[in-house]
Amino acid sequence: AQRVTQPEKLLSVFKGAPVELKCNYSYSGSPELFWYVQYSRQRLQLLLRHISRESIKGFTADLNKGETSFHLKKPFAQEEDSAMYYCALSGHSGAGSYQLTFGKGTKLSVIP
Amino acid sequence: NAGVTQTPKFQVLKTGQSMTLQCAQDMNHEYMSWYRQDPGMGLRLIHYSVGAGITDQGEVPNGYNVSRSTTEDFPLRLLSAAPSQTSVYFCASSQSGALSYEQYFGPGTRLTVT
Repeated sequence: AQRVTQPEKLLSVFKGAPVELKCNYSYSGSPELFWYVQYSRQRLQLLLRHISRESIKGFTADLNKGETSFHLKKPFAQEEDSAMYYCALSGHSGAGSYQLTFGKGTKLSVIP
Repeated sequence: NAGVTQTPKFQVLKTGQSMTLQCAQDMNHEYMSWYRQDPGMGLRLIHYSVGAGITDQGEVPNGYNVSRSTTEDFPLRLLSAAPSQTSVYFCASSQSGALSYEQYFGPGTRLTVT
């Protein structure tokens, strides 16, 4: 079974401070990992995926297979980063297709 | 493109009533899915479909039915609503059910069952 753990329900940081949103996963194969973000009154949208190795809005995430982690980082938080962040894992469901499993989410609040 | 659309935006039901949440996408995506979002629980997969005529259960399928007669539409049916089904429901679609494809989400339907 695949599982995603986000240990922090709420993370508050000051503007300009570094941000790290933690994500750990459990999966027997090679996972595909994503970060999705939900801004206030907006729909859930993809922030970044590990396979692209890209930086979006200053955020980066590195897959650490040894620690089974995919933490989201940003060196300097901005007020517009305040949102709900979900880590997600796409893995084989065993029925011939794939399922996206979400963590419980971390609410990031950036204090001006 | 409208992307993924959901109707209604809000709904109140009495226990035991049935209803259908509508979801449509205009991106010719093969893969569609339904999630429910509850406080402290994140998003949990209810049902998904890898193409017209093919559906499968997710993590929390009980009390819900789906069908996929066309590529565009993926309705979710509540057979006999219960207060435990009070939630926000999101429909999503992606180009493929393969691992790395981005999922596009609808705006959600907020359902209250009294």
